[in-house]
Amino acid sequence: EADIYQTPRYLVIGTGKKITLECSQTMGHDKMYWYQQDPGMELHLIHYSYGVNSTEKGDLSSESTVSRIRTEHFPLTLESARPSHTSQYLCASSGYVSSGNTIYFGEGSWLTVV
Amino acid sequence: ILNVEQSPQSLHVQEGDSTNFTCSFPSSNFYALHWYRWETAKSPEALFVMTLNGDEKKKGRISATLNTKEGYSYLYIKGSQPEDSATYLCASALNSGNTPLVFGKGTRLSVIA
Repeated sequence: EADIYQTPRYLVIGTGKKITLECSQTMGHDKMYWYQQDPGMELHLIHYSYGVNSTEKGDLSSESTVSRIRTEHFPLTLESARPSHTSQYLCASSGYVSSGNTIYFGEGSWLTVV
Repeated sequence: ILNVEQSPQSLHVQEGDSTNFTCSFPSSNFYALHWYRWETAKSPEALFVMTLNGDEKKKGRISATLNTKEGYSYLYIKGSQPEDSATYLCASALNSGNTPLVFGKGTRLSVIA
């Protein structure tokens, strides 16, 4: 079983609020990812990191930001939430190329902005 | 941009039926093909990682094949059970695995008892 944790699991917040979604993994993985999925749609990569102090934007433009100060921690922040940010956010990590870069996912954070 | 396509989008089968679905991906610069199972209210779980043309992997009643030359993979489920109901995602990686996986939209399978 993968050791990757996301909090909060479910959150309803008002427009304009700042929110940080937390993600931690205890597997020592260098690579971490944030995916966004709207109902019925595909997973879209919004941010990834290949190590401490390294972050990249994914293929879907997002108004969120991320940081990677510690290997195990990859938080995602929305400075001013809007209803269009309502979605499920999945954090993931992967380890070694020899394992085929298998991705281990957290259980997701459901965000609703009202 | 790497385009990963899955079909069908959704599928309903009777308990005991066998079924299969398709993942297609660009064959150039191919590195690996992943299959994941995503049950409702849970996190996606890795099923298979395949890298070699002609690869076939099996896990219980589920198996997968890979054709890297023509850019497709099949996932087979033999004797479907209600607990197989889930969304099955495939994802492709390019360039020695140094770029992030790109996921298809998934095939949503419902097995009716």
